[in-house]
Amino acid sequence: SAVISQKPSRDICQRGTSLTIQCQVDSQVTMMFWYRQQPGQSLTLIATANQGSEATYESGFVIDKFPISRPNLTFSTLTVSNMSPEDSSIYLCSASTGVGYEQYFGPGTRLTVT
Amino acid sequence: AQSVSQHNHHVILSEAASLELGCNYSYGGTVNLFWYVQYPGQHLQLLLKYFSGDPLVKGIKGFEAEFIKSKFSFNLRKPSVQWSDTAEYFCAVNARNTDKLIFGTGTRLQVFP
Repeated sequence: SAVISQKPSRDICQRGTSLTIQCQVDSQVTMMFWYRQQPGQSLTLIATANQGSEATYESGFVIDKFPISRPNLTFSTLTVSNMSPEDSSIYLCSASTGVGYEQYFGPGTRLTVT
Repeated sequence: AQSVSQHNHHVILSEAASLELGCNYSYGGTVNLFWYVQYPGQHLQLLLKYFSGDPLVKGIKGFEAEFIKSKFSFNLRKPSVQWSDTAEYFCAVNARNTDKLIFGTGTRLQVFP
């Protein structure tokens, strides 16, 4: 298994600003992912963070709005850019040790945009 | 496109009652199946998983799930729930050899003493 930490755990941000969320895994993993969980809803995959190359985004999510970095096998960041109140959500990082394997989740970052 | 349906959005039980949460998926190929649990204020944890073999899988805390391929279902069960089982339960699926995990909408379980 993998233990995942995220920073910050929560933040309140103003409209138009950007926030970068950090995700750290305690061991080397193959895959890292970013999800959004809006209040009362399920998890939606934003993108797969690829080490050393551009992230793979899901339909409805674009790099300009959610730039992602993954400089090594244990760390990734997600930036929520030019925020609006609609971006208020919980952002979750996950990791797995192989394609199709179970994913381990971080505690999430609760973002509120005012 | 793949999708996952959880029919029970909110379930209320008394302690010692039996539990069954439904999960159906739409995908014609080989899949890996998961149930995750999110206790209040905690992060998502893996409850159990099915990759292959015996379609009846056992997980942590007395939970089990049965994969019925003909019904595209992976229902979660527990014979006797406890107050501590109060949580949100998510079914998730990914197509074999892909990295994309599709989640159901979740079922909120409340267990009263």
